[in-house]
Amino acid sequence: DIQMTQSPSSLSASVGDRVTITCQASQDISNYLNWYQQKPGKAPKLLIYDASNLETGVPSRFSGSGSGTDFTFTISSLQPEDIATYYCQQYDNLGGVLTFGGGTKVEIK
Amino acid sequence: QVQLQESGPGLVKPSQTLSLTCTVSGGSISSGGYYWSWIRQHPGKGLEWIGYIYYSGSTYYNPSLKSRVTISVDTSKNQFSLKLSSVTAADTAVYYCARGYPPDYWGQGTLVTVSS
Repeated sequence: DIQMTQSPSSLSASVGDRVTITCQASQDISNYLNWYQQKPGKAPKLLIYDASNLETGVPSRFSGSGSGTDFTFTISSLQPEDIATYYCQQYDNLGGVLTFGGGTKVEIK
Repeated sequence: QVQLQESGPGLVKPSQTLSLTCTVSGGSISSGGYYWSWIRQHPGKGLEWIGYIYYSGSTYYNPSLKSRVTISVDTSKNQFSLKLSSVTAADTAVYYCARGYPPDYWGQGTLVTVSS
């Protein structure tokens, strides 16, 4: 199975800061990588699909990049409403096992 | 906009079978084009994908749970269901249903506790 290593596991940043989260796959997954935001007590929300595509309605301060094994998720200017846990997720274009990263908890300093 | 809602018992005894149903509104399962997934989240932990079903009934399960999982679909009711057999305390989690592989729209989740 493909393993997803996400880092850091938590971070604290100030409002307006640029925040970066990384996700590394144990093998080449092309661009089959999504990013989700989960606020406490809520279901995850899809933010970025296929590594770099912004889901409709998601603010443009969120972005994603990467391919192969190394991926990056960025919040260009952290806002108070962005406090959440963020997960990367890989999937198989043939419909196989879907795996999540361990999550990154983002807090305001 | 599609909406999903999980329903089922919030408490299940060890060794019994956990059964949940997901009711879909705002879209038809039988129209095709989407897989329908179950995902769970242990308390305070990360996300674990359980499996998916297509409207035709074809399924794919996480190998780690495959021996205990059955996902089925009832297109007449626009619902799909999860059964997890021989549960233990380790199956205590919030269970989510979702549209798609990978999932885009999710239900709100339902906590299932395994305890005697």
